[in-house]
Amino acid sequence: GNSVTQMEGPVTLSEEAFLTINCTYTATGYPSLFWYVQYPGEGLQLLLKATKADDKGSNKGFEATYRKETTSFHLEKGSVQVSDSAVYFCALSEPGGGADGLTFGKGTHLIIQP
Amino acid sequence: EAGVVQSPRYKIIEKKQPVAFWCNPISGHNTLYWYLQNLGQGPELLIRYENEEAVDDSQLPKDRFSAERLKGVDSTLKIQPAELGDSAVYLCASSFRVTGELFFGEGSRLTVL
Repeated sequence: GNSVTQMEGPVTLSEEAFLTINCTYTATGYPSLFWYVQYPGEGLQLLLKATKADDKGSNKGFEATYRKETTSFHLEKGSVQVSDSAVYFCALSEPGGGADGLTFGKGTHLIIQP
Repeated sequence: EAGVVQSPRYKIIEKKQPVAFWCNPISGHNTLYWYLQNLGQGPELLIRYENEEAVDDSQLPKDRFSAERLKGVDSTLKIQPAELGDSAVYLCASSFRVTGELFFGEGSRLTVL
């Protein structure tokens, strides 16, 4: 079946540091890939997505590129802020965008220190 | 526009008691999901509705869990009787079939004593 593996947290960085959160997946065919973010006390929100190989999703300074050859969708940001502190979830769905439901990774807790 | 609304936000019950969670999806969203999120884990799909029809309930423990979505709008998830291992956050999400993006509520945190 489908599965998503994320790097373990918590990840602690200083403000303005470069961020990478690794995500790899196992799936048949060509799934759609997502990053969701959960800020303290809030529900999960879609951060970015990519629906085919070599697509780059981007939002709020975050980027992730769909790499079919390495089955990866790593999340990156060039300069993190304290407000980026949250839990980040990598997820995949069957081709088509996610309406059939998502398979999530365990989440990575990101802590940004001023 | 209002987001996905869930209630209650928090519920503490003793084992063997029943509990119910309610979800109001975003207006116009025909697909509704219930997810289970255990501490330190990612959400896991329990059940998916297309309008009022449950189209994927393969992960719903049917001996104690039930769900309904009457009239294809609001939904209720019930546990009867609750067990200690049911302590978790129950998330509701909805989507408009064409776009596929899921919108999540804030979740209902259940503690079973």
